[in-house]
Amino acid sequence: SAVISQKPSRDICQRGTSLTIQCQVDSQVTMMFWYRQQPGQSLTLIATANQGSEATYESGFVIDKFPISRPNLTFSTLTVSNMSPEDSSIYLCSVELAGSYNEQFFGPGTRLTVL
Amino acid sequence: QKEVEQNSGPLSVPEGAIASLNCTYSDRGSQSFFWYRQYSGKSPELIMFIYSNGDKEDGRFTAQLNKASQYVSLLIRDSQPSDSATYLCAVMHGAGSYQLTFGKGTKLSVIP
Repeated sequence: SAVISQKPSRDICQRGTSLTIQCQVDSQVTMMFWYRQQPGQSLTLIATANQGSEATYESGFVIDKFPISRPNLTFSTLTVSNMSPEDSSIYLCSVELAGSYNEQFFGPGTRLTVL
Repeated sequence: QKEVEQNSGPLSVPEGAIASLNCTYSDRGSQSFFWYRQYSGKSPELIMFIYSNGDKEDGRFTAQLNKASQYVSLLIRDSQPSDSATYLCAVMHGAGSYQLTFGKGTKLSVIP
């Protein structure tokens, strides 16, 4: 098993500002992902965070709005840019651990409210 | 369009009964199947995964997969009030794909 931490755990932000969310894992990781879970909804994949290169975004998500970095194997950041109330959601990182077979484990999430 | 369908529930079962949660998927090429449990206000927790047709048991949980029918289920035996949560079915599509598509989840309530 691994410990996956996210910072901040929650935040309340003003419209038009940006927030950067961090995800740190204490074990060897092969893949890292960012998901969004809107109120009462299931999870939607935003992007795959690639180490040392640009993230791979899913349909409907763009780099200008959700820039992602992954400077090393165990750390990634997601920025929510130029926020609007529609961005209010829970943002979750997930990881596939080295030695596992496709199983993804989730961090505790960041609850974002945009006013 | 790769879809994963679940009954939204709520599914109510008495304590000690078997809870049966169902999931269907549209992509016939899907390879891996996962069940996550999500308590209110918490992140999803992986409880079962299955790759081959048939049953896979882990304690009180049994995952069942039928690729011909594009159907995966989760059985919870001897249900406990602590099992009350939303259960999310997730599907990974095709060899070399790491992307999970989630169903909307089934809310389970175990009544003491």
